[in-house]
Amino acid sequence: QKEVEQDPGPLSVPEGAIVSLNCTYSNSAFQYFMWYRQYSRKGPELLMYTYSSGNKEDGRFTAQVDKSSKYISLFIRDSQPSDSATYLCAMRVSNFGNEKLTFGTGTRLTIIP
Amino acid sequence: DAGVIQSPRHEVTEMGQEVTLRCKPISGHNSLFWYRQTMMRGLELLIYFNNNVPIDDSGMPEDRFSAKMPNASFSTLKIQPSEPRDSAVYFCASSFGPRGRGTDTQYFGPGTRLTVL
Repeated sequence: QKEVEQDPGPLSVPEGAIVSLNCTYSNSAFQYFMWYRQYSRKGPELLMYTYSSGNKEDGRFTAQVDKSSKYISLFIRDSQPSDSATYLCAMRVSNFGNEKLTFGTGTRLTIIP
Repeated sequence: DAGVIQSPRHEVTEMGQEVTLRCKPISGHNSLFWYRQTMMRGLELLIYFNNNVPIDDSGMPEDRFSAKMPNASFSTLKIQPSEPRDSAVYFCASSFGPRGRGTDTQYFGPGTRLTVL
């Protein structure tokens, strides 16, 4: 079993819809949770990060972490065609000196105009 | 800033040949990461350096893979001999910050698409 599981999709939704992307994980030591966005044939770029449980909002994006369920989510409101990309969740433990990120396999999202 | 620079962008080689991938991190960054991305396995960390010193190489698949960072502005990932199963996109990323600070953003390069025939 992988440490981080993510539904690969693909996921297609109409423009303006609310999108929900999710990851589950098995390592209870993970403390930092991130979402990266990757456009086709580009490198991933950090979209949001959260520490421990709770919600964090940034414009149309909301990241949610539920450590009790080992479950994280990314919500996109008022989705736009420019949001079409692959979204990867990533996690790391808090050990000093350990910068290793563990990624999900990514969910491919298409927003239909 | 030019961002993380990787070369070549595409590489096609035959099985058994040596392949060298190159990376120039963002100036001033003190950590450098090599990743491999495939459809089946997603994005996997191969090795990372902090202040030019290898910190975690547990993701390096086998002895055919080696990585070096001779100075703060250059790193190489070498595969010798290459095999078809090494075909993937290889990303280099860099970050800056005190070791262990969880919010250090990793900035990724555009990747090298490797095909081994």
